[in-house]
Amino acid sequence: NAGVTQTPKFQVLKTGQSMTLQCAQDMNHEYMSWYRQDPGMGLRLIHYSVGAGITDQGEVPNGYNVSRSTTEDFPLRLLSAAPSQTSVYFCASSDRTGRGETQYFGPGTRLLVL
Amino acid sequence: QQPVQSPQAVILREGEDAVINCSSSKALYSVHWYRQKHGEAPVFLMILLKGGEQKGHEKISASFNEKKQQSSLYLTASQLSYSGTYFCGTLARGGNMLTFGGGTRLMVKP
Repeated sequence: NAGVTQTPKFQVLKTGQSMTLQCAQDMNHEYMSWYRQDPGMGLRLIHYSVGAGITDQGEVPNGYNVSRSTTEDFPLRLLSAAPSQTSVYFCASSDRTGRGETQYFGPGTRLLVL
Repeated sequence: QQPVQSPQAVILREGEDAVINCSSSKALYSVHWYRQKHGEAPVFLMILLKGGEQKGHEKISASFNEKKQQSSLYLTASQLSYSGTYFCGTLARGGNMLTFGGGTRLMVKP
């Protein structure tokens, strides 16, 4: 099992550019989520999905879109990048059948918006 | 609303004990604890599902006071490897969002 994978590892964008952060998991987990972590700060939930075709907003959804067409993939789209979106982005997944399962994190994508 | 963690930072000598607290304003279904090393992803430590239930991980244990919506993480006889930032995540009753506190930075010195 590869677990949770994220690409790219690093990315530099100019203000106004768009991009998609990729996230995939091979554990057949129903629940997937995206967090951002600013320097010295905690994890803030951007969007989450409880299964294919179902997504919902987290604490800080503005400026980000998601979709969940398959169980394995959960991409995060930045439509028009802003310097305030400079952060480390973590994707996570868990099997929520009992709602008490471990959440596994990907290695993160470090994004710099100039 | 994010849970609140205290203290924000702790410095210990090897072998000393520490307690990290996590409190929420919402009725909770579960509390999750994670540790993150610098430059790495958070790693799962434990989940507490029932009021009063305690679970352990080596010399790290935790408690969950359901009535007070609080959890505490206990690190006993700390080791250098315990250094990192500890996060609590809370899942509210009836909710689907796992939200995290601001973290507690723990440094263990020789």
